[in-house]
Amino acid sequence: GAVVSQHPSWVICKSGTSVKIECRSLDFQATTMFWYRQFPKQSLMLMATSNEGSKATYEQGVEKDKFLINHASLTLSTLTVTSAHPEDSSFYICSAVENSYEQYFGPGTRLTVT
Amino acid sequence: DAKTTQPPSMDCAEGRAANLPCNHSTISGNEYVYWYRQIHSQGPQYIIHGLKNNETNEMASLIITEDRKSSTLILPHATLRDTAVYYCIVRDYTGTASKLTFGTGTRLQVTL
Repeated sequence: GAVVSQHPSWVICKSGTSVKIECRSLDFQATTMFWYRQFPKQSLMLMATSNEGSKATYEQGVEKDKFLINHASLTLSTLTVTSAHPEDSSFYICSAVENSYEQYFGPGTRLTVT
Repeated sequence: DAKTTQPPSMDCAEGRAANLPCNHSTISGNEYVYWYRQIHSQGPQYIIHGLKNNETNEMASLIITEDRKSSTLILPHATLRDTAVYYCIVRDYTGTASKLTFGTGTRLQVTL
């Protein structure tokens, strides 16, 4: 149990376009999901906390108008990178919190902006 | 959340025990010690967690010192598949969906 999926697993987009990444909890409901970003050879950095039915909470330095988060249901959160630039190329990872407050991570989405 | 300190890298021969240390000298009474690992280009995988007692599961053992200022993750018989970055995280566990703060971790290389 406690499986989290992400879609797509990798995506290439042109500079200036927007990309949506989905995070789903497959066998449990998640009131809270987290979005992380990881650059090559670096650790995971928390971007935002996504709560179902309310606005996301962004970490300091993360532009909320650029990284749009929607937690429309208890099993789905989406991260949209708007007007993507090459410096947004990164590995994006989500996690979902189940009833016991444990976090389960998705497999990640590799975004490349050309 | 308390900060943790881990060695940047370690090597281990396949079949041997891998002992990964972590210092968390500022840990508070309601904080647990969690261990995750991240295999290249994958999401982090939960390994084990504990408060003050030693813990063991099918993946690893966690030894926490009596003063709780440090801990050691033990992989009893390391295999090549255990090559990964291992993260030690201390986390407030007061019944909320608290966030995890990842440090730089220890890159474990298991060799033949």
